[in-house]
Amino acid sequence: AAGVIQSPRHLIKEKRETATLKCYPIPRHDTVYWYQQGPGQDPQFLISFYEKMQSDKGSIPDRFSAQQFSDYHSELNMSSLELGDSALYFCASSPRGAGVRDTQYFGPGTRLTVL
Amino acid sequence: AQSVTQLDSHVSVSEGTPVLLRCNYSSSYSPSLFWYVQHPNKGLQLLLKYTSAATLVKGINGFEAEFKKSETSFHLTKPSAHMSDAAEYFCVVSSGGGADGLTFGKGTHLIIQP
Repeated sequence: AAGVIQSPRHLIKEKRETATLKCYPIPRHDTVYWYQQGPGQDPQFLISFYEKMQSDKGSIPDRFSAQQFSDYHSELNMSSLELGDSALYFCASSPRGAGVRDTQYFGPGTRLTVL
Repeated sequence: AQSVTQLDSHVSVSEGTPVLLRCNYSSSYSPSLFWYVQHPNKGLQLLLKYTSAATLVKGINGFEAEFKKSETSFHLTKPSAHMSDAAEYFCVVSSGGGADGLTFGKGTHLIIQP
């Protein structure tokens, strides 16, 4: 079965640079979620989109922005990178039809390292 | 607001013996509960979910969990551990109420002794 695709899988950036992470949801899933998992930490919810509109917002820094496109893929843009942004970034997707309790299926993650 | 407490940060069992990973939750709403597993340097895989149907939920790879409202618990069990079960396990709550984000527990690191 098709899964969530994230690219790139690994990314190395310098401080103050910009990074863009991409997420392609499972076909026919219209809701996308972004999470950040720091080293040895549990994943923290950043932001979600439903039908190209922001649906919910968690602990996303102001330096980060995201959007969902007409083909439902999403991009997380991160500017003025800091060392503390080094983490594993997960994207998840779900079908919204039955409401927000639908199961979220996670991608493999993008490991961002900021030097 | 919702929260999840995983009672053990590490659990070590011998191969072939039962596994018990403990989870307690707190939620303002009738919760949906999940267990996800994360193998080293891998993504998050759904093991099972509870969404107010049967209180005993069966998942993949022989895992199951029982929802106990009176105890606000959702413990994960497996009758016989396998070496491939060694991983990080997260108990997760989704409470709805307009909130999209899942709330994760801190995780339990399962170690399987040969």
